[in-house]
Amino acid sequence: QLQLQESGPGLVKPSETLSLTCTVSDGSITSNSYYWGWIRQPPGKGLEWIGSIYYDGSTFYNPSLESRVTISADTSKNHFSLNLSSVTAADTAVYYCARNMRFLEWLSYFDYWGQGTLITVSS
Amino acid sequence: EIVLTQSPGTLSLSPGERATLSCRASQSISSSYLAWYQQKPGQAPRLLIHAASSRATGIPDRFSGRGSGTDFTLTISRLEPEDFAVYYCQQCGSSLTFGGGTKVEIK
Repeated sequence: QLQLQESGPGLVKPSETLSLTCTVSDGSITSNSYYWGWIRQPPGKGLEWIGSIYYDGSTFYNPSLESRVTISADTSKNHFSLNLSSVTAADTAVYYCARNMRFLEWLSYFDYWGQGTLITVSS
Repeated sequence: EIVLTQSPGTLSLSPGERATLSCRASQSISSSYLAWYQQKPGQAPRLLIHAASSRATGIPDRFSGRGSGTDFTLTISRLEPEDFAVYYCQQCGSSLTFGGGTKVEIK
């Protein structure tokens, strides 16, 4: 069964760059049926899509975060990564990676999720 | 950006009762692009329904979805103890957004 696992530092200082990696097991990120996405959830709040990537490097980003977000993929390591720059306390959240179905060459639903990792932005 | 408004914010029901959750979009979306998720405390969301009415693999048939245009509904026909959770709708007709969630709590 496909598994996704987020990894990265749990604490990031304000104004620095948050970096996370999602390692995919028992499945390949080079499948042409899927994108691979990042979603976050501030404590006690709802879900916010950050962005998604296709294995060829094409990306889609949430317009509200696009100026600070970079998502990349390393097919040799079967993982994809998130960089979020100039973080503030408002970026404190649980960050999830997930498999994003591809439908008519566009984004669709998320069917497999990682367990999530809490990232706290604090000095 | 398409805004999804979920109502009610909280639904207080007893096991065995029927739950009806609403998701309203700020503009029309294809039903192909509407999904529902369940989230329990400390867990990642779980896909329940995609394409507005198609149950995901392993989802019990007490969960059903319907709707079109701007109005979508998730129904749980008879609540089981494990169904008390928060439910989110999601659209990807234009960018990708989630609704604010409906909490189904035990009355």
